[in-house]
Amino acid sequence: KQEVTQIPAALSVPEGENLVLNCSFTDSAIYNLQWFRQDPGKGLTSLLLIQSSQREQTSGRLNASLDKSSGRSTLYIAASQPGDSATYLCAVSSTGFQKLVFGTGTRLLVSP
Amino acid sequence: KAGVTQTPRYLIKTRGQQVTLSCSPISGHRSVSWYQQTPGQGLQFLFEYFSETQRNKGNFPGRFSGRQFSNSRSEMNVSTLELGDSALYLCASRDRETGELFFGEGSRLTVL
Repeated sequence: KQEVTQIPAALSVPEGENLVLNCSFTDSAIYNLQWFRQDPGKGLTSLLLIQSSQREQTSGRLNASLDKSSGRSTLYIAASQPGDSATYLCAVSSTGFQKLVFGTGTRLLVSP
Repeated sequence: KAGVTQTPRYLIKTRGQQVTLSCSPISGHRSVSWYQQTPGQGLQFLFEYFSETQRNKGNFPGRFSGRQFSNSRSEMNVSTLELGDSALYLCASRDRETGELFFGEGSRLTVL
């Protein structure tokens, strides 16, 4: 049974810092991994999708890496801004269909 | 292109009642999935539909059901509501080419 863990559970940083969010999964036989952000009371916004054959994906100030063999993914946020404050979730798909297994999230607060 | 649309956004029900939630996927997306989000359990997969057929089901009691129509719109139904059914119910549709999931804003259900 796939289990996904995210560390840290919460993170508070001053504006401008570069930061790394961690995601680990127990079964390396994954199809893809997706990072989302969720603002309070809102739905999930897709940030990056990494296919199992890829090592990393980049979008603007965000960079996500994937190491299947070690069961890890990291989300790197460069030059953090107060608008980045949200909960960040990683989710793993083992089949390519829509059943995702989610981590518990990292709650990020970026202070001005 | 419009995103995933969920209705209603908020609703309050009492124990024993039933509820129906609706989801319209992104145009062109044919698969839809549903998730339940609670503070205690996080995000959990309910079920997935593709071409009007349930393709996968999570570990929820039979009170939770769903269906998909020929236009890809989906509904989920919860009968005999319990207090523990209070949650944010999220719908997602999948880009068939990339496998990326896109979520709606969710339906916030409160059971009194």
